[in-house]
Amino acid sequence: GAVVSQHPSWVICKSGTSVKIECRSLDFQATTMFWYRQFPKQSLMLMATSNEGSKATYEQGVEKDKFLINHASLTLSTLTVTSAHPEDSSFYICSAVTARNYGYTFGSGTRLTVV
Amino acid sequence: DAKTTQPNSMESNEEEPVHLPCNHSTISGTDYIHWYRQLPSQGPEYVIHGLTSNVNNRMASLAIAEDRKSSTLILHRATLRDAAVYYCILRDNNAGNMLTFGGGTRLMVKP
Repeated sequence: GAVVSQHPSWVICKSGTSVKIECRSLDFQATTMFWYRQFPKQSLMLMATSNEGSKATYEQGVEKDKFLINHASLTLSTLTVTSAHPEDSSFYICSAVTARNYGYTFGSGTRLTVV
Repeated sequence: DAKTTQPNSMESNEEEPVHLPCNHSTISGTDYIHWYRQLPSQGPEYVIHGLTSNVNNRMASLAIAEDRKSSTLILHRATLRDAAVYYCILRDNNAGNMLTFGGGTRLMVKP
């Protein structure tokens, strides 16, 4: 089936540094990918929609200069958390639309801890 | 996407069937009913989806009410590995592609 590979699975970084999270579609082309954030005991919140070759569309309240999204190819989208702070600690999840099951395939998530 | 309402949590015994309800009284004619589940510390995974007719696959069955204002995800024999948060989501194929997640139902399976 369709697979979305997300790396790293977890990362710990110091405040003020930047972290890049990669999301790859392994056996299909993903013209659109979505980035979600999930805080403990809460549901997934959509952060942005990433379209290949164009600028990402951010949800209200999400700072585009802080969460940089690049979707340079049909199989790779990246999310960079710039100047990370402890409040950015969260579980970040990407997903891509697949035609195979009329649904969405999700990455395994990245747990970011900012210390 | 239209809103869905699910119980916060449910319990089940292992090897017994589980019926997870979802209310979506404001569903529109073009909304598909999707179910995803999220195991601890993992991304969500697709379970099943449907429009009007009941659907079956290897993971579960989806029973959709005749007026489409509610649906039920059926796990025929719960296992410990089915313990997860189950999300019922409506998606309009005519709108944007994103999925909007509600609170979901946390299913606990007792051995």
